[in-house]
Amino acid sequence: AQTVTQSQPEMSVQEAETVTLSCTYDTSESDYYLFWYKQPPSRQMILVIRQEAYKQQNATENRFSVNFQKAAKSFSLKISDSQLGDAAMYFCAYSGLNTGTASKLTFGTGTRLQVTL
Amino acid sequence: DAGVTQSPTHLIKTRGQHVTLRCSPISGHKSVSWYQQVLGQGPQFIFQYYEKEERGRGNFPDRFSARQFPNYSSELNVNALLLGDSALYLCASSYKNSGSSYNSPLHFGNGTRLTVT
Repeated sequence: AQTVTQSQPEMSVQEAETVTLSCTYDTSESDYYLFWYKQPPSRQMILVIRQEAYKQQNATENRFSVNFQKAAKSFSLKISDSQLGDAAMYFCAYSGLNTGTASKLTFGTGTRLQVTL
Repeated sequence: DAGVTQSPTHLIKTRGQHVTLRCSPISGHKSVSWYQQVLGQGPQFIFQYYEKEERGRGNFPDRFSARQFPNYSSELNVNALLLGDSALYLCASSYKNSGSSYNSPLHFGNGTRLTVT
């Protein structure tokens, strides 16, 4: 079974600074997808960024980028130029490629990000 | 376009009762997945339905059941409620069977907060 571990329950960053959230995972599959989701107080899970395991190039989405280390099974999220609106719970998630389970996301326990002035 | 809508937003039930939660996917989406998010944890996969057939099931007891209707909306039913069923129940939809494919990511609703007393 796949597992996702987020070892940082809470992180804090000052506005305009950069912060990195950590995530490690365990799987025996060679191809899979990894995601970072954001959950603000509104409760809706919002996709921040995604990475295909077979792509060596790290994904980027504007101020958000990942550091994907496949051999180390590590998938960290870097948020640059942090904004107050970035404050939320961030969840790392894993998905396999098999058709029957591709919609099954395995989530970590989350990291609460605080953004201070 | 409207996003994934869930009803009700909040619900209070007593132990032993039954509950039905409802989800309407984004127009054109044929896959619906259900997740349970206990306070302080990441979401856990319960079910996935695609074209009205169950395509995946998580590690939940038989008290949990679901179905998908011809219009692709879905219901999650929980019988004989326990205190431990108190959680945020999230519904997610995607266009294809694979919610993790690059062009068919999961879109989440705002969830139903269920409290069992």
